[in-house]
Amino acid sequence: AQSVTQLGSHVSVSEGALVLLRCNYSSSVPPYLFWYVQYPNQGLQLLLKYTSAATLVKGINGFEAEFKKSETSFHLTKPSAHMSDAAEYFCAVGKAGTALIFGKGTTLSVSS
Amino acid sequence: DVKVTQSSRYLVKRTGEKVFLECVQDMDHENMFWYRQDPGLGLRLIYFSYDVKMKEKGDIPEGYSVSREKKERFSLILESASTNQTSMYLCASSSRAYSNTGELFFGEGSRLTVL
Repeated sequence: AQSVTQLGSHVSVSEGALVLLRCNYSSSVPPYLFWYVQYPNQGLQLLLKYTSAATLVKGINGFEAEFKKSETSFHLTKPSAHMSDAAEYFCAVGKAGTALIFGKGTTLSVSS
Repeated sequence: DVKVTQSSRYLVKRTGEKVFLECVQDMDHENMFWYRQDPGLGLRLIYFSYDVKMKEKGDIPEGYSVSREKKERFSLILESASTNQTSMYLCASSSRAYSNTGELFFGEGSRLTVL
């Protein structure tokens, strides 16, 4: 069975600081992994996805994530936080043709 | 661009009412999903459908039903709304193409309040 765990329900950073949102997965088959972002009162939009190509995946808005099989992790990073990055972030695991399984989400707050 | 449209962004209903949440996608996707989102619980799958007139239960189907009469439309029905169904409901779709990774495309959500 597949599952995903996001470590930390709330992360706070200062503007310009490194953003690190943690995600660990469990999967019996090579997984597809996703990060989605949700801004207030909106649906989810895709930030980036890992599909067994390069282990370092670049997404929109300067975010990237690294797939580490040995650590079963897919942490999301951004070198320099911006106020507009404040949102809720969801990690998800899945495989083709099935419903994605989501983590419980991490709320990112950015202070000036 | 894929567009998933949820007909109502905000609804307020009374306990016991029948509630319909409508979702339409315009990319000819085979798969459609209904999730419920609650603070601290993330997204939980209610029902999904792989084809017209087909449906599968997700993790929390109790108190809900669905209808998929046309490929582009997937409706979520609350037969008798209760206060514990107050939540954000998210519809999503995906392609069944061989190359598909399972990526979902979401609507903007329907926030339902049951009084």
